[in-house]
Amino acid sequence: DIQMTQSPSFVSASVGDRVTITCRASQGISSWLAWYQQKPGKAPRLLIYGASNLQSGVPSRFSGSGSGTHFTLTINSLQPDDFATYYCQQANSLSLTFGGGTKVEIK
Amino acid sequence: EVQLLESGGGLVQPGGSLRLSCEASGFTFNNYAMNWVRQTPGRGLEWVSAISGSGVGTYYADSVRGRFTVSRDNSKNTLYLQIDSLRGEDTALYYCARPHLTGENYYYYMDVWGRGTTVTVSS
Repeated sequence: DIQMTQSPSFVSASVGDRVTITCRASQGISSWLAWYQQKPGKAPRLLIYGASNLQSGVPSRFSGSGSGTHFTLTINSLQPDDFATYYCQQANSLSLTFGGGTKVEIK
Repeated sequence: EVQLLESGGGLVQPGGSLRLSCEASGFTFNNYAMNWVRQTPGRGLEWVSAISGSGVGTYYADSVRGRFTVSRDNSKNTLYLQIDSLRGEDTALYYCARPHLTGENYYYYMDVWGRGTTVTVSS
């Protein structure tokens, strides 16, 4: 299986900050990558697919980039609603795998 | 409203069985492949299984192959996961999830998730 490694595991940030989360794949996955947001007690929410495509209804302050093995999720001007855990997921092979998550907390 | 509703979880002894269900509403169920994903505090999110829109194609994670069986009844808009030979490491919250695009074999990115059903394996 393709292993997905996220960093950092934890981010402490303030409202208005820019936050960048990194996801690395153990082998090249082209642009077959998604980002999800999850809040406590809720299911994951699709934010980005195809590495850089914004899912319908997701605010434009979220953006994704990268290809191959290195990907980033950037949140510009962090809002109170953005404090959550973020996961990457590779879709290059149908043994879909997720990163370990990055928790974004209020500083 | 597009919705998925899981059921069937519970407490079961090691070696036991459960059948999870996921009832879909608000969309044309047979136009979509479907996934099962589970989550634990320790192992995070783990893809478990997928099934094609017609039900012909089925796919499993190595950790569950041979013990889990995915199926669907498109006339009932319902997805199933039969879980046999349960182990402690199968304890998790199980979600069904719909891909964000239609397609017999399009599994890849999931935009609709249920609330999940909890499976606890313990003696």
